[in-house]
Amino acid sequence: ETGVTQSPTHLIKTRGQQVTLRCSSQSGHNTVSWYQQALGQGPQFIFQYYREEENGRGNFPPRFSGLQFPNYSSELNVNALELDDSALYLCASSVQGLNHEQYFGPGTRLTVT
Amino acid sequence: AQSVSQHNHHVILSEAASLELGCNYSYGGTVNLFWYVQYPGQHLQLLLKYFSGDPLVKGIKGFEAEFIKSKFSFNRRTPSVQWSDTAEYFCAVNAPGGGADGLTFGKGTHLIIQP
Repeated sequence: ETGVTQSPTHLIKTRGQQVTLRCSSQSGHNTVSWYQQALGQGPQFIFQYYREEENGRGNFPPRFSGLQFPNYSSELNVNALELDDSALYLCASSVQGLNHEQYFGPGTRLTVT
Repeated sequence: AQSVSQHNHHVILSEAASLELGCNYSYGGTVNLFWYVQYPGQHLQLLLKYFSGDPLVKGIKGFEAEFIKSKFSFNRRTPSVQWSDTAEYFCAVNAPGGGADGLTFGKGTHLIIQP
């Protein structure tokens, strides 16, 4: 059991809407990374949060944004949803500086109609 | 930019067969290498990791892998497969150190073990 939890499990939204996904990191971890996993693909890195700031980002547009809170939990926000945003969104926690051994949560399945 | 490719997208084997899953990566420097496994209905779990040192690494559930730098591949080996090994296997890399890069994943290999 990794200890990383995510909510909600599933979500259905309409194109153009906004969505917020939540993640609680594993105890003792101070860094949270978010990934998007489309059907049949490997996870793609969205961004990483450490010390409540974004400190790394993949190839995703600005409408993907996030937050990290003092207890190291995190949110992923996506504005102006598009059909292609339908995917499994994964949160991973780790300890900064320890070679990025990341532990993943179960994910949130987002469907955009 | 980093890229990762996995040799096989779908593999079907019978129990007790041997298995080797391959992964190639492109990166102009030292990397950390990982294999993750996703069993049906479960989340991604770390199976194997290589940071440096002994190229032969052992992970959970009896799996082991060999880092072969000259071939730019990281193969996962198991003496014989079991039905419970049916899962999706992902190879991933990132740069070592305290940087803020995420993991770059391959597209995955869907392994089906037939009883």
